[in-house]
Amino acid sequence: GAGVSQSPRYKVAKRGQDVALRCDPISGHVSLFWYQQALGQGPEFLTYFQNEAQLDKSGLPSDRFFAERPEGSVSTLKIQRTQQEDSAVYLCASSLATGVGYGYTFGSGTRLTVV
Amino acid sequence: AQSVTQLDSQVPVFEEAPVELRCNYSSSVSVYLFWYVQYPNQGLQLLLKYLSGSTLVKGINGFEAEFNKSQTSFHLRKPSVHISDTAEYFCAVSEVPQTGKLIFGQGTTLQVKP
Repeated sequence: GAGVSQSPRYKVAKRGQDVALRCDPISGHVSLFWYQQALGQGPEFLTYFQNEAQLDKSGLPSDRFFAERPEGSVSTLKIQRTQQEDSAVYLCASSLATGVGYGYTFGSGTRLTVV
Repeated sequence: AQSVTQLDSQVPVFEEAPVELRCNYSSSVSVYLFWYVQYPNQGLQLLLKYLSGSTLVKGINGFEAEFNKSQTSFHLRKPSVHISDTAEYFCAVSEVPQTGKLIFGQGTTLQVKP
């Protein structure tokens, strides 16, 4: 597609439920990032992939968070045993190549509400 | 550790007036600086970036920003705003040129009034 696609657009989960958030980057984009944006805050880095390799996962808040990109294209962010503090918009971004000079394209995000 | 501070959480301004959104950063190494705009229920869109060279950077939609190393600032300006500029604006910094990982500020809501 022309842009970064994220699904679902909205997700309501009961506390303790597992969720999976999907990101379809622009075809051919090497780099893929996940960010978490809490209400009224700026996005915070979660994790980064270069092709299928997860090179930086320093931003994942706990071991309940897991991300994968097995074939170097679609990525899934999984949150196990969701908690209320996980409520946020999860943004995915992709870039044609590795490096700060290449601009990101962001998806519209998945809004997760944990009740 | 690097950080970004956006000094104003909300900036109200009348249409056709000039505006400045302030951003300060802290870092112990050279940085690369960005401004993004986020319209309601949308992802972030790049307005402009400073990587090197001229400290005055021009971006889309008539926005510009000036990198001031001594003041560690990267303020965003527009000489005349439109209603359509109403949005959330985020300043971001990257210390990691190899990956482009970004650290964002808290955001500034620009409210343009008719």
